[in-house]
Amino acid sequence: GQNIDQPTEMTATEGAIVQINCTYQTSGFNGLFWYQQHAGEAPTFLSYNVLDGLEEKGRFSSFLSRSKGYSYLLLKELQMKDSASYLCAVRDYGGATNKLIFGTGTLLAVQP
Amino acid sequence: DAGITQSPRYKITETGRQVTLMCHQTWSHSYMFWYRQDLGHGLRLIYYSAAADITDKGEVPDGYVVSRSKTENFPLTLESATRSQTSVYFCASSESTGDEPQHFGDGTRLSIL
Repeated sequence: GQNIDQPTEMTATEGAIVQINCTYQTSGFNGLFWYQQHAGEAPTFLSYNVLDGLEEKGRFSSFLSRSKGYSYLLLKELQMKDSASYLCAVRDYGGATNKLIFGTGTLLAVQP
Repeated sequence: DAGITQSPRYKITETGRQVTLMCHQTWSHSYMFWYRQDLGHGLRLIYYSAAADITDKGEVPDGYVVSRSKTENFPLTLESATRSQTSVYFCASSESTGDEPQHFGDGTRLSIL
């Protein structure tokens, strides 16, 4: 079956570093995406990993280990505006399709 | 730069009514998707389309109908709305290449009484 697991909630302090984990078990794998979603808004794209290793984009980094079915999103120098849900999504290898399977998201609260 | 727009943003209707949610994108993306987002379930795929006149079911298609006569439009119709279809609906689009992300509209918050 298809399963993507993320912690439901996390709390961190402004200026700190937080790591949000995602584990997945899917019938196929063709890439992993991280999205940010503020309350009442649309998800917005943060990062993409298809090969093992770390991808860095400013304060945000994402890591992938395909053999372990594991990814994490690392947020550095946390700001209050980083309070949001973070969604992990796996692209299923389904022929020519481009479908994503989403986890339920991790709600991050950044405290002063 | 309009991108992807959904309408209406908010809708209240009654059980048994037909309701159509609109989605329009200006990027000429090949792929378009409809998701619903509910507490505890995350985003679940309802239907998707790889090109005009090509649609396919996602994870939760029952009770929904889609069409795609033009590349830029992908309406979602609830033929006979039920309370269980109360949700936030997101439309998304993407290019056909593998590493392109999906881009989401602002969503439609639908309440069925």
